[in-house]
Amino acid sequence: DTAVSQTPKYLVTQMGNDKSIKCEQNLGHDTMYWYKQDSKKFLKIMFSYNNKELIINETVPNRFSPKSPDKAHLNLHINSLELGDSAVYFCASSLRSTGTGRYGYTFGSGTRLTVV
Amino acid sequence: GNSVTQMEGPVTLSEEAFLTINCTYTATGYPSLFWYVQYPGEGLQLLLKATKADDKGSNKGFEATYRKETTSFHLEKGSVQVSDSAVYFCALPHYYGGSQGNLIFGKGTKLSVKP
Repeated sequence: DTAVSQTPKYLVTQMGNDKSIKCEQNLGHDTMYWYKQDSKKFLKIMFSYNNKELIINETVPNRFSPKSPDKAHLNLHINSLELGDSAVYFCASSLRSTGTGRYGYTFGSGTRLTVV
Repeated sequence: GNSVTQMEGPVTLSEEAFLTINCTYTATGYPSLFWYVQYPGEGLQLLLKATKADDKGSNKGFEATYRKETTSFHLEKGSVQVSDSAVYFCALPHYYGGSQGNLIFGKGTKLSVKP
């Protein structure tokens, strides 16, 4: 199936730990994104990569570090996890040549991170 | 920059009722407009879109018309079903410069449909 897939789907961890979330798309898209959805369902862009190049880096703590080994993968590493990092993290992808504005994004199913 | 304002929920309707979820936007130019739906425990799915003024997007019985005069893109459905229970997001692109940008979303409207 063509899709955006994220792993893991659920992640429960203790404060202070370091964790990673992985994202892969097989849609042939060249741009990938990380969004954070808080408990009130508000979605906020965190990062965006185009062909492995970081193009959007919103106001996010330095503890969050994205990495894109190739245009089909975008991972998110989080150091020293805090209670406030608990949220659902969504990966998304799009084809830049068609323009963000015309076709929107394809989203993964999300990773629910709970920090205890 | 571009922004989007969406009516807050939750919205609770009986099956077969008429649905309207309001969305207004502020934008430079005439960007494409989108509605996304998020079913419980799932990611966001594109529901419909409109790429220019006066376009009507439609899918699964939902419709929205791109109205530049009122800068609105309200979502409507004539007869909702229990299976339509979800959170609905209005969205449009926000550009940082050139073609670099990302989708920005309204705060979401939770719809619950009762049998």
